[in-house]
Amino acid sequence: DARVTQTPRHKVTEMGQEVTMRCQPILGHNTVFWYRQTMMQGLELLAYFRNRAPLDDSGMPKDRFSAEMPDATLATLKIQPSEPRDSAVYFCASGGSHTEAFFGQGTRLTVV
Amino acid sequence: DAKTTQPNSMESNEEEPVHLPCNHSTISGTDYIHWYRQLPSQGPEYVIHGLTSNVNNRMASLAIAEDRKSSTLILHRATLRDAAVYYCILRDLDSSYKLIFGSGTRLLVRP
Repeated sequence: DARVTQTPRHKVTEMGQEVTMRCQPILGHNTVFWYRQTMMQGLELLAYFRNRAPLDDSGMPKDRFSAEMPDATLATLKIQPSEPRDSAVYFCASGGSHTEAFFGQGTRLTVV
Repeated sequence: DAKTTQPNSMESNEEEPVHLPCNHSTISGTDYIHWYRQLPSQGPEYVIHGLTSNVNNRMASLAIAEDRKSSTLILHRATLRDAAVYYCILRDLDSSYKLIFGSGTRLLVRP
């Protein structure tokens, strides 16, 4: 049963620390999305990749967030330095060129 | 990005059909209509999508207006497990592949 795997599932960190969230997309999928969900803003698209190349990261705060795909089996989202307002659930999703997106279970981030 | 308009919430009784509406008056010719849902404490999951013709799958049916300015997601027999937030999304598969979520419709299912 293919699925998108996100690690860690939960992360509590102190303000100012670096946070790295990881995503293993479904094998064969060439599109990867990163989302952030909060009660106030709902689901926000942060960035997405096609064939490992970033297509759009306009939803990401550039000064502290970065997203990469070192290889086809790993996508990372980093926050440095983290702030309390970054507390949210971060979702990764993957899909094929013209198919539906499959979402992971999310990483719940709390910055204190 | 073309926008969609959905009611904030709807209620249904268990085992009855549910019709979830979506307006998308600014839809373009290359926009596909996608529906996703998000169960409590889970990531969104794909439900169905279509371009012009009505579509059916094991989860639901999608009815698309002839002018494509609105669509309706139909759950034929609601179960308690169908209680979720349902998102109607326009996705341009010809140029951008972006998947932009709005606020969705929260469906409550009464036993």
